[in-house]
Amino acid sequence: AQTVTQSQPEMSVQEAETVTLSCTYDTSENNYYLFWYKQPPSRQMILVIRQEAYKQQNATENRFSVNFQKAAKSFSLKISDSQLGDTAMYFCAFIQGAQKLVFGQGTRLTINP
Amino acid sequence: DAEITQSPRHKITETGRQVTLACHQTWNHNNMFWYRQDLGHGLRLIHYSYGVQDTNKGEVSDGYSVSRSNTEDLPLTLESAASSQTSVYFCASSEALTGNGDEQYFGPGTRLTVT
Repeated sequence: AQTVTQSQPEMSVQEAETVTLSCTYDTSENNYYLFWYKQPPSRQMILVIRQEAYKQQNATENRFSVNFQKAAKSFSLKISDSQLGDTAMYFCAFIQGAQKLVFGQGTRLTINP
Repeated sequence: DAEITQSPRHKITETGRQVTLACHQTWNHNNMFWYRQDLGHGLRLIHYSYGVQDTNKGEVSDGYSVSRSNTEDLPLTLESAASSQTSVYFCASSEALTGNGDEQYFGPGTRLTVT
């Protein structure tokens, strides 16, 4: 079974700093997709970034980028120039084949002014 | 604009009662999913559907059922509510055919408390 592990339950940084959230996953498949979702206090799940496993280039979306290490099964999220609005729960998720998302336990990120 | 809605947003019920949570999407997506969110577990898949008349069990399906009679709706029923089913429930939908890994769009969630 596929599993996703986020080893950092909570993180806290100052505004404008860079922060990296860790995620590892386990799969025997070669083709799959990885996601980072953000859940602010409003509870709405918002897609931050998506990575296709067969693409070697790391995905980027403005201040958000990933470090995808396929051999190590690692998928970390880097947030540059962090803002107060980045305060949220962040979930790493994995999908393969049948469109079923498998989520990690989440990392609660707090950006301090 | 297309959207996915859930109702009610909050529900308190008693142990043993039947409860139905509604999910409605106007994306015209084939795939629909129900997840529950509990502290320390992230989101876990309850049931999912790839189209009308299709339903499948997820990781934590015991005590839950779904039916898909049209493209837009996937109601989740708790046959006999238990305190262990106190949770936040999310509905999601996606367009993707199997293997395409498209984004899933989430509803706002329903907080269910079973007393």
